[in-house]
Formats: sequence, structure tokens, C-alpha cells
Amino acid sequence: QTVVTQEPSFSVSPGGTVTLTCGLSSGSVSTSYYPSWYQQTPGQAPRTLIYSTNTRSSGVPDRFSGSILGNKAALTITGAQADDESDYYCVLYMGSGWVFGGGTKLTVL
Amino acid sequence: QVQLQESGPGLVKPSQTLSLTCTVSGGSISSGGYYWSWIRQHPGKGLEWIGYIYYSGSTYYNPSLKSRVTISVDTSKNQFSLKLSSVTAADTAVYYCARLPRYNWNFDYWGQGTLVTVSS
Repeated sequence: QTVVTQEPSFSVSPGGTVTLTCGLSSGSVSTSYYPSWYQQTPGQAPRTLIYSTNTRSSGVPDRFSGSILGNKAALTITGAQADDESDYYCVLYMGSGWVFGGGTKLTVL
Repeated sequence: QVQLQESGPGLVKPSQTLSLTCTVSGGSISSGGYYWSWIRQHPGKGLEWIGYIYYSGSTYYNPSLKSRVTISVDTSKNQFSLKLSSVTAADTAVYYCARLPRYNWNFDYWGQGTLVTVSS
């Protein structure tokens, strides 16, 4: 079974730029997988940041952007802020259903 | 504003069936255009898609859970439900219901989640 891969953790300085990625254990991610990105803080339901590769959800700051970089989907945060410290999950449509990545814990310090 | 709310027992015994209901307000399940989904999150872990249902009753399940999962819809009550049979401690998780529009494939509205613990 194909696994969706994400960096377990990442660190960024306030004001810095970070790119989180979402890949496949076998193969390349394309727009056909409808990659989307969710942010989750402790005790809360996930919140959509990006869907269909690069469409920003309503109310999401434009410092969040989505793309395909090489063979992976990517979430870039430009000008990171303290309240961006969260868990980030990507999810891909795999034909037989939706598969979430294991999530990336982002630290802003 | 669409809202989703999970309800059901917070404690289920091993080998029994977990049953949860999601009540939708602010929108009608029978209007079509959306998949009504169940997603779970094991404590301290990532998210896992369980499956979803269309208002017509068509269902799609995670292959790894398919043999134990049933999702149903009651359009008269604007609710959809999850049944997971033969549960074990590995099914202990926060269970979320969520809406997935067919036009943009974005899980756009989520319930707050409900913790279900499997223990004797």
C-alpha cells in the first residue's frame, strides 16, 4: 500500500520561509491527486489551508501557498508567525479513497 | 453556516460495535453535491479517512477498514452515521465527521470530534 510521506518535524524562525512537502512512498504526486493541506492545533479539528493543489481556503492568509515541487506537493509559508506553530497534514486522493500523510509538526522559534 | 456535530457513546467494549451519528445543520444533506465523511485520529497520531456517503446512499470506504465499516444516511433527520464492528483498543480515537464537496475536494467543514475509547 502506498504511503503518503511528510517530514515529521520542521523548524522555522519568525519571519522566515518554510516549505513542507507531501510525497508518495512510490510514485509522484500530481494535481490529479487533488492535494490539500490542513492545519491542526491541539484539541481542535483540522482547518483547511489549501485544496486542489494551490487554492487557498477562504480566510487563509496569503502567506500560505500550495504547489507541486518536483514529485511532491508542497505547502510554503512565507513570513512565518508564532501562531503558525501547529501540526500540518496533507491528504491525497488515491483512487480507492483519501490518504492522509503522517503530519508535520512545525515549530516557530 | 454549515455545522456538523458528532454524537454517540464515548466508551465501547472490545468486540462490540462503535456507533456514531453526525447531525448536520445549516445545510441539507439531500441537496446533493457533497460527500459526508468520517475521519479519525488516534491519540497523538495522524488522521485516517474512514469513508463517506453520498445523499443517495452510495458509500466509499477505506480498504483497510472496509470489512468492519458501515456508513448510512438519514436525510429526514439530516444525519449520517458510522458503525464500526468488532472494535479493539486500536480503534480508540477521536472521530470526526466532515463535509467534502464534489466540486473542489476540500474537507471544508468538520465537527468538533468525539473521543471514543475501546476498553472493557
